[in-house]
Amino acid sequence: DTGVSQDPRHKITKRGQNVTFRCDPISEHNRLYWYRQTLGQGPEFLTYFQNEAQLEKSRLLSDRFSAERPKGSFSTLEIQRTEQGDSAMYLCASSFGRFGPNEQFFGPGTRLTVL
Amino acid sequence: DAKTTQPTSMDCAEGRAANLPCNHSTISGNEYVYWYRQIHSQGPQYIIHGLKNNETNEMASLIITEDRKSSTLILPHATLRDTAVYYCIAVGYGNKLVFGAGTILRVKS
Repeated sequence: DTGVSQDPRHKITKRGQNVTFRCDPISEHNRLYWYRQTLGQGPEFLTYFQNEAQLEKSRLLSDRFSAERPKGSFSTLEIQRTEQGDSAMYLCASSFGRFGPNEQFFGPGTRLTVL
Repeated sequence: DAKTTQPTSMDCAEGRAANLPCNHSTISGNEYVYWYRQIHSQGPQYIIHGLKNNETNEMASLIITEDRKSSTLILPHATLRDTAVYYCIAVGYGNKLVFGAGTILRVKS
């Protein structure tokens, strides 16, 4: 049973560099979500895909952030010109469904540290 | 999505039932009550959800009041491995999860 996987698990980068994270959802899941979590806080929604379509994007997400899910399978989250405030755990989740809310399965996260 | 309110922290003795309350007084008719938990350094884990009726699965029971303004998650026999942050979330058709601060549950031997 392969769950949601994320790569890398840890990333250290210098301010101003670009970083890209990958998420592989559970294979039959058509929905994919990205969340961000800072220390001591609950996860914060970033964006959501149904198949390859990006259906919702948080207003808190700056234009330095972009996410893709080109074939409706894996997804990438890119952060351009990283800032120290981007340091956080980036979580990916997937679910299966057409209408209404569904149980989301989370990956282990990618911890980003911006120096 | 409706806002939920939970106590900041709770303690429970190992082997006893843990009862975690959640207030969601502004919940709308099409919003479900979902519970997730997050063990340190891991991604959140789904526990249970419900709309109107009480629900039970292998992990927990969910009791929702008749007016749907509050609910209680029950872990029937808490173990040390149940120590985690527990999140109560009202989820509508938008699908995204809006996490609050949750309740830190500490199970003590």
